[in-house]
Parts: sequence; structure tokens; C-alpha cells
Amino acid sequence: AQTVTQSQPEMSVQEAETVTLSCTYDTSESNYYLFWYKQPPSRQMILVIRQEAYKQQNATENRFSVNFQKAAKSFSLKISDSQLGDTAMYFCAFMNNAGNMLTFGGGTRLMVKP
Amino acid sequence: DAMVIQNPRYQVTQFGKPVTLSCSQTLNHNVMYWYQQKSSQAPKLLFHYYDKDFNNEADTPDNFQSRRPNTSFCFLDIRSPGLGDAAMYLCATSRDRGLQEGYTFGSGTRLTVV
Repeated sequence: AQTVTQSQPEMSVQEAETVTLSCTYDTSESNYYLFWYKQPPSRQMILVIRQEAYKQQNATENRFSVNFQKAAKSFSLKISDSQLGDTAMYFCAFMNNAGNMLTFGGGTRLMVKP
Repeated sequence: DAMVIQNPRYQVTQFGKPVTLSCSQTLNHNVMYWYQQKSSQAPKLLFHYYDKDFNNEADTPDNFQSRRPNTSFCFLDIRSPGLGDAAMYLCATSRDRGLQEGYTFGSGTRLTVV
């Protein structure tokens, strides 16, 4: 079974600065997919960014980018120019190659301070 | 806008009294999922429907059941809620299995058991 670990339960960052959230995972599969989801307080979970394991190039979506290290099984999320609206719970998630199981990490609560 | 809708947002039920949570989607997605998310924890998959095919997770208690009468609707039934069942329940959809596109989530139903 796959496991996903987020070692930082809580983080804070000043507005306009950069922050990196860590995620490691464990799997025996060679092909899989990784995601970062954002869950704002009392609001629905939304997809932030997605990475395919067979692609070496790190995914980027505007201010959000990932550092994917397949050998190290590491998948960190970098948020540049942090905004107050980035305050949320962030979940790292792993999807197996069959695409029938999405496993979440424990989450990192990010607070962006003005 | 196409979306996943969960009703109600907040549900209070009595210990042992059956309760049903509902989820509807306008995305015409084949797969619908139910996750349980306890406070400050990762969402945990309870079961999913692939079209009409029900797939239960091995560690989902028998107390939890689900129905999918048509493509658009999926229900979560808790036959005899206990205090430990208090949680946020998330419904999610995906276009199909094996697509690794990530899921679309509803806003969740927060269940309180008194």
C-alpha cells in the first residue's frame, strides 16, 4: 500500500514571500501521479497542481510549482509571492497507476500573514 | 457551472439514529467517491462507485452504506451513527478510472453526532 507523509503540520509565511511545503511518499510502482490539493477553511478541496511520475520536468501553475525528486520519492510544493488567499490546508496526494485510488497525506496548515 | 454539490452542509444527528448524506454532480462523471475526514486528518476513502459498480474499502465499517440510483446522485447512509462517526464527509467525482486527472470535490457535509 502507498503512504504519503507531510512532515510539517503547520507553517506560516509573510505575504509576498515564498514558502515550500514538503511531501514524501512510498510506493513500489514505477508509474503514478502526484497532486497537491488546497482546502480553504470551510470550503471545498480544489486541485492546485499535478505531476506525472514519468515526466522529469517539474509541473508549474502560475505561482505554484513542484520539486519532484523521483529517486528520493519527494514531491514538494513551492508557493511564490504568497497571498492572503493562499491560507488553507494543503494536502499532498498519490494516485496509483490504475487510477482507482487517491491517497492523501496528513496535510499542512498554511497561514499567510499580512 | 458544472459542479459537485453536497447537501446539507451541516448535519446533526442523534446517536444511533440513521442518517443519509447526499451528493449530486452535473459533470456526468462515471466515478463517485465518498471520503471521511476527521478533524485535522487526511481524507480517508470509504468506497466508490464506478458507474453502478460498488467498490468498498476493506476497512470501511459495515455501518456505512452507499447508494447510487443514477449517474448524478450518490448517497451515504450511516445506519447507526456513533460519536466516532462525527466528521466531514467529502464527495468527489472523476470522469473515469485510470485517467489520473484528479478528482472534483464537493464542499462536504459536516456531521455532528449528539
